[in-house]
Amino acid sequence: SAVISQKPSRDICQRGTSLTIQCQVDSQVTMMFWYRQQPGQSLTLIATANQGSEATYESGFVIDKFPISRPNLTFSTLTVSNMSPEDSSIYLCSVLGGGRAEKLFFGSGTQLSVL
Amino acid sequence: KQEVTQIPAALSVPEGENLVLNCSFTDSAIYNLQWFRQDPGKGLTSLLLIQSSQREQTSGRLNASLDKSSGRSTLYIAASQPGDSATYLCAVSNFNKFYFGSGTKLNVKP
Repeated sequence: SAVISQKPSRDICQRGTSLTIQCQVDSQVTMMFWYRQQPGQSLTLIATANQGSEATYESGFVIDKFPISRPNLTFSTLTVSNMSPEDSSIYLCSVLGGGRAEKLFFGSGTQLSVL
Repeated sequence: KQEVTQIPAALSVPEGENLVLNCSFTDSAIYNLQWFRQDPGKGLTSLLLIQSSQREQTSGRLNASLDKSSGRSTLYIAASQPGDSATYLCAVSNFNKFYFGSGTKLNVKP
């Protein structure tokens, strides 16, 4: 299994500012994912964070808005840039573990409110 | 494209009742199915994972079954408790792509 520490757990931010979310894993993992969960909805994949290369973004998400860093196999950050109220969501870091079982593990989430 | 549906969207039961949550998916070509629990404003906690070659998995009061050919999974919770109140999500995977349902919000009344 993998233990994931995600910070901050929640924040209230002003429109136009940026917030960086950190995700630290207790073991080396190849695949890390960033998800967004808007109020009352399911999870939407933002991007897959690749170590040593640029992240792979899903349709509707762009690097300028959600820059991602992955400096090593245990750490990643997601920045939400130039925030608007529509960015108010829970942001979730996830890693793939469980050997060949394709098991997902999640961090505790960051609840973001933009005023 | 894979679509995952969970019914009901919300469920309220008295404490002690046995209950079943449903998850259906449109494409049977899955590698595994995972059930999660999510408390309000928090991340997801993995409950059970069923690989495509398996029919069910059990952990304590939880039992999950998988019928891949019909595109269905159920999560059975025995003797429900107020602490079971949370949103339960299922997700199917194939080639490291994950598809999530929208969840069932469970309220267990004391």
